[in-house]
Amino acid sequence: KQEVTQIPAALSVPEGENLVLNCSFTDSAIYNLQWFRQDPGKGLTSLLLIQSSQREQTSGRLNASLDKSSGRSTLYIAASQPGDSATYLCAVHPNSGTYKYIFGTGTRLKVLA
Amino acid sequence: ETGVTQTPRHLVMGMTNKKSLKCEQHLGHNAMYWYKQSAKKPLELMFVYSLEERVENNSVPSRFSPECPNSSHLFLHLHTLQPEDSALYLCASSQDYQAEAFFGQGTRLTVV
Repeated sequence: KQEVTQIPAALSVPEGENLVLNCSFTDSAIYNLQWFRQDPGKGLTSLLLIQSSQREQTSGRLNASLDKSSGRSTLYIAASQPGDSATYLCAVHPNSGTYKYIFGTGTRLKVLA
Repeated sequence: ETGVTQTPRHLVMGMTNKKSLKCEQHLGHNAMYWYKQSAKKPLELMFVYSLEERVENNSVPSRFSPECPNSSHLFLHLHTLQPEDSALYLCASSQDYQAEAFFGQGTRLTVV
């Protein structure tokens, strides 16, 4: 059974710091992995989608990497800003013809001004 | 704007009420989803529709009843809910089962 873990559960950093959020999954048979951002009480905003054949994806200050064989993905945020404060979720899509994404519980990030 | 719109944004209902949540996607996607998000728990997939046909149903109690009249609209009909059903209900869509998922802003449901 696929399980997705995100560590740490919460993180506070000063503004301007580069930071890494971690996501691990137990079954490497995935089709893709998606990173989301969620502001309090709001829906999810898609940040990056990495296909299983890819090693990384970049969008602006965000860079996501994928090491499928070791069951890990990282989200790198460069030069963090207070506006980056949110919960970051990763989700894996099993490679089994299912529509289901398996989500982690997220990392709650606070960037201090 | 994500292209997926949910109404209402907030809903308070008694345990004997009947209400419906609505989701509309403007992205031309073929698949639509209902997820439940409870505090301290990962998102739980409830239902998936592809081309208006239900393709996944994850052991959801019958007090939740989905409806997909066309590929752009998805409803979740609620009746005789329990307080533990209070949660954020999220709708999502994707082009197909392997594609990027896009979410709405959610409906915050409180059952009293």
